[in-house]
Order: sequence, then C-alpha cells, then structure tokens
Amino acid sequence: DAGVIQSPRHEVTEMGQEVTLRCKPISGHNSLFWYRQTMMRGLELLIYFNNNVPIDDSGMPEDRFSAKMPNASFSTLKIQPSEPRDSAVYFCASTWGAGTQETQYFGPGTRLLVL
Amino acid sequence: SQQGEEDPQALSIQEGENATMNCSYKTSINNLQWYRQNSGRGLVHLILIRSNEREKHSGRLRVTLDTSKKSSSLLITASRAADTASYFCATGGSNYQLIWGAGTKLIIKP
Repeated sequence: DAGVIQSPRHEVTEMGQEVTLRCKPISGHNSLFWYRQTMMRGLELLIYFNNNVPIDDSGMPEDRFSAKMPNASFSTLKIQPSEPRDSAVYFCASTWGAGTQETQYFGPGTRLLVL
Repeated sequence: SQQGEEDPQALSIQEGENATMNCSYKTSINNLQWYRQNSGRGLVHLILIRSNEREKHSGRLRVTLDTSKKSSSLLITASRAADTASYFCATGGSNYQLIWGAGTKLIIKP
C-alpha cells in the first residue's frame, strides 16, 4: 500500500509568490491533518478535515493560508502571498475515524523555503 | 499548543546501550503515542498505549504509562545506529487533536 503522498518534496520560491502544497491520503482514511514543523515552534496543527469537511482551522496562521479537500483522495494547502516566515516543513497526515484514538500516518513532508 | 514535554531534549549514547526518554503531560488523556522522525523524513508511529494500560512492548521498545504522575517513558534496548532520530510523544484526549511534545533528539554513536 502506498503511504501518504505529498508533492512537491521541496519548494523554493520568492516572497509574494503563491505556493500550493498537495497531499494524497491513504485510501480508506477519512481524517486528514496539515501540520507545520519549525525548529522554533515544533509541530503545529494547521487544519483538520474529517470526511472532506474542515472541522478545525484555528491553527491556520492567517488569511494568507487556505486549505481544501475536494474529495477523499486529495487535499491542498495554499499560501498566497508567501513570506519568508512561512519557511518550514509542511506535513500531511491521515487516519481513520475521528482521529485521536488512532495512529496518524505522515507523508514525507514538503520543505518550503521562501526567499 | 504543546502539552507533552520530552526529557531529555537530547541524548547521546553508545551503540548497544539502552536509551530512555520521558514524556510528561498536563491534562487527562485517552492514549499516548510515540513517534520517530529520521532527519528529513516524516514522523513514523512506533507505539500507542491507552490510558488503562501501564506497559506495552514492541520489539526492542518498551513504553510505560503512569497516569497518576501524568508521565510516560520510552525505552529502546540494545540501541543501533539506525535508532538515531528524534522521538516525539503525542497525547490523545477527548477530541480529534493530538497534542505533541517538542521531541528528544537521540544520537547513537558507533
């Protein structure tokens, strides 16, 4: 079975540009999480989807960040416009059920550098 | 927000020795999970222990949970170079969210 797939694996962009990160969760999973990891702040939950519906986006830093899940097999995280402080590793994770009682399966991450 | 606090922040031991990492948390939990992250990779689930369990084993891993002290420990026996990684604890409570610790960086010296 393929695990969680994320693309691109690395992204270098200039400040002000739009960035789109993509995630394909494990087939059959109905919960999807977007995380951001930095040295300073550790692992932060950005948004949580259940059955393709955003349940909690309180972790999204500001209006420049948006996320969608048009179907059970695809999600995007968009940053527009990007800023240098958005530089981080972004992870997508999926699981089944309501999430907390189950293991989360992480993708390899997208390493974003905003110049 | 981060609830779990791992201790120590960094640990360096010789190959073959045992490594012990601790995690403390603040609120009541339903389960506690340990994950490993190799450099440049995503997090990989190692073991889940439920609040009504006290100890769990998986291969060279042993996890204990003391809910009265709100703490857990992860023991890796007979460490190998491949165990070099960061280890995170995460607590699951009454909702969907896992609360993550800051991690322990483990270095196994050959």
